[in-house]
Amino acid sequence: GAVVSQHPSRVICKSGTSVKIECRSLDFQATTMFWYRQFPKQSLMLMATSNEGSKATYEQGVEKDKFLINHASLTLSTLTVTSAHPEDSSFYICSARRPQEDTQYFGPGTRLTVL
Amino acid sequence: GDSVTQMEGPVTLSEEAFLTINCTYTATGYPSLFWYVQYPGEGLQLLLKATKADDKGSNKGFEATYRKETTSFHLEKGSVQVSDSAVYFCALSRGGGADGLTFGKGTHLIIQP
Repeated sequence: GAVVSQHPSRVICKSGTSVKIECRSLDFQATTMFWYRQFPKQSLMLMATSNEGSKATYEQGVEKDKFLINHASLTLSTLTVTSAHPEDSSFYICSARRPQEDTQYFGPGTRLTVL
Repeated sequence: GDSVTQMEGPVTLSEEAFLTINCTYTATGYPSLFWYVQYPGEGLQLLLKATKADDKGSNKGFEATYRKETTSFHLEKGSVQVSDSAVYFCALSRGGGADGLTFGKGTHLIIQP
């Protein structure tokens, strides 16, 4: 089956610092990856769509200067939370689209805690 | 905008009971519909999907039928097992999975032996 990894699984940082989260498709090439955010007891909310070699498309209300997305290769997308604040604490989940199946495969998520 | 509503949990059942988790959606056009499952400590896994009206998705004994007239995609299983304990998410996509997904809030299912 398709495997998507995320690193790190947990990160704790101080307010004002930046944090980078990596999303990798391990056994397939993904032209499109997605980033979601999940609050406790809430649904996953789509933040942005990341296309290899082009700029990410952000959902309404998501600050693109705060959540920097880079999709430099067909197997790697990164999300950088810049100048993190406590309200950015959340569970961030990525998915990668497997083209031949038109199906998204999800990573295990990254728990971000900003102190 | 698009939205997905699913029954709130937790849902607690005994082993071998019949399971229904309701899911309704609001969307224009003809979205694709999905059920994802999240086992403790793991990422979301696709359970089943349906891409057009009256399609039935099935996997691991679970079934769901795309009902456009009632805008529903209810998840059913005839006899649940303890190993089915997980959080189940209903979701839709306009692009058949090519676009980002709109999720329901998730239903926590607990199966007791």
